[in-house]
Amino acid sequence: DAKTTQPPSMDCAEGRAANLPCNHSTISGNEYVYWYRQIHSQGPQYIIHGLKNNETNEMASLIITEDRKSSTLILPHATLRDTAVYYCIVRLSGGSNYKLTFGKGTLLTVNP
Amino acid sequence: GAVVSQHPSRVICKSGTSVKIECRSLDFQATTMFWYRQFPKQSLMLMATSNEGSKATYEQGVEKDKFLINHASLTLSTLTVTSAHPEDSSFYICSATDSLSNQPQHFGDGTRLSIL
Repeated sequence: DAKTTQPPSMDCAEGRAANLPCNHSTISGNEYVYWYRQIHSQGPQYIIHGLKNNETNEMASLIITEDRKSSTLILPHATLRDTAVYYCIVRLSGGSNYKLTFGKGTLLTVNP
Repeated sequence: GAVVSQHPSRVICKSGTSVKIECRSLDFQATTMFWYRQFPKQSLMLMATSNEGSKATYEQGVEKDKFLINHASLTLSTLTVTSAHPEDSSFYICSATDSLSNQPQHFGDGTRLSIL
């Protein structure tokens, strides 16, 4: 699986949009971009995933650049409960039994 | 959304004890389950992958005789830490997925294991 690079930490004001970048310059054509987050002392929570088109769900939006070498997770209106470590993971498509390889992620701190 | 339940959430026991952790998918059939371990201030490390009805596949460096994994049904997998020692103290997390529906992996809330 391709490696990803994320900033170690970011801050965001409550109510503002949080934009979390991820670099995956070695991504191959059949690899998806997945985002998970982990709130302290809990298991990771699935947020969103995409291949090449932008995606949106009730939690977030995922913007993938045209060359697919980077992406941005957008939390449109961050709340204090969004404080967590956010993981960007690139993984092969096909069967969802492919394993996820977690990096160090980005610690997002939402401030009041 | 898909729910994965992990039990117990916390275990404290003496060195030499064997500890069993359960992972259940509550509203979908989990054809594949994964077991991870997370040490303080570190990321999740995959320990093993188990497919229902098959033997688990362990990652390099993970002792299969120490970490016994059973995935006998489509809703339940168990991880048994045998003869646990203080260095086995960690946060153990399972995830589950239904590969037939191509849904993403969903995680349990983890088990904090403390060996005295």
